[in-house]
Amino acid sequence: TQLLEQSPQFLSIQEGENLTVYCNSSSVFSSLQWYRQEPGEGPVLLVTVVTGGEVKKLKRLTFQFGDARKDSSLHITAAQPGDTGLYLCAGSSNTGNQFYFGTGTSLTVIP
Amino acid sequence: DAGVTQSPTHLIKTRGQQVTLRCSPKSGHDTVSWYQQALGQGPQFIFQYYEEEERQRGNFPDRFSGHQFPNYSSELNVNALLLGDSALYLCASSLVPLISSYEQYFGPGTRLTVT
Repeated sequence: TQLLEQSPQFLSIQEGENLTVYCNSSSVFSSLQWYRQEPGEGPVLLVTVVTGGEVKKLKRLTFQFGDARKDSSLHITAAQPGDTGLYLCAGSSNTGNQFYFGTGTSLTVIP
Repeated sequence: DAGVTQSPTHLIKTRGQQVTLRCSPKSGHDTVSWYQQALGQGPQFIFQYYEEEERQRGNFPDRFSGHQFPNYSSELNVNALLLGDSALYLCASSLVPLISSYEQYFGPGTRLTVT
C-alpha cells in the first residue's frame, strides 16, 4: 500500500520553465520531507515541513505543507538542468520510527 | 563531520545465497533505518534500529534481518536471496529528537544484483 502518491510521475520541461510536483495522502503526518535523488546515489534531504500550512523557500524551490498535514507541493521556478533528478516526498509517523515514501517524480530539465 | 557511509558499494550474489550489508550512521545519530529501492520507485521501509533493538518493521519477510551495534552502526542481512531482491539498499540515520520533527540522512546505498 502506497500511502503517498506523487504526481506527475514523469516530467520533462525546457530550461527556464516553472513546475509543480504534488504529494498527496489520505493519512496525516507529523512531518514531511522532500528529497532529491540522482542515479546511483542516496536521496538528499531538501527540506522538512512540520506545521500545517507551512511554506518554506530554498532559492528557486518553494515547499508547502497542506493545512491538514496530508499533502504537500514542491514548486520550482525557472528550472535549470541541474534540477534534473528524482524528487521524493516522505512522511513520518507520529512516533517518528517509520517514514513512508512517495512514488517519486522523475524530472528532466532540457537545456 | 562524516555523513552516512555504506559498504560495499556494489554486490553480485546468486539466488539462494546470503548477504550482509553494512552502515555507519552520521556522527551524533543513534537511529538507523534500512530501505529497499527498486529501479524507478521510491524507497520501501524495511526496519529501524534504535538502542540495538528493532523498533519498527515494514512489510518484509523474515529473510530480512538486522542488527545494531553499541557504536550505532548497523547490518542488514538477507537470507535465501531471490531475483526480486535485486535493488538499491539504502541506510538512513537520524537522532531520536526532543521535538516533533524527524529528519533522516541517507547513505549512498549498496547496489545488490541477484543472478
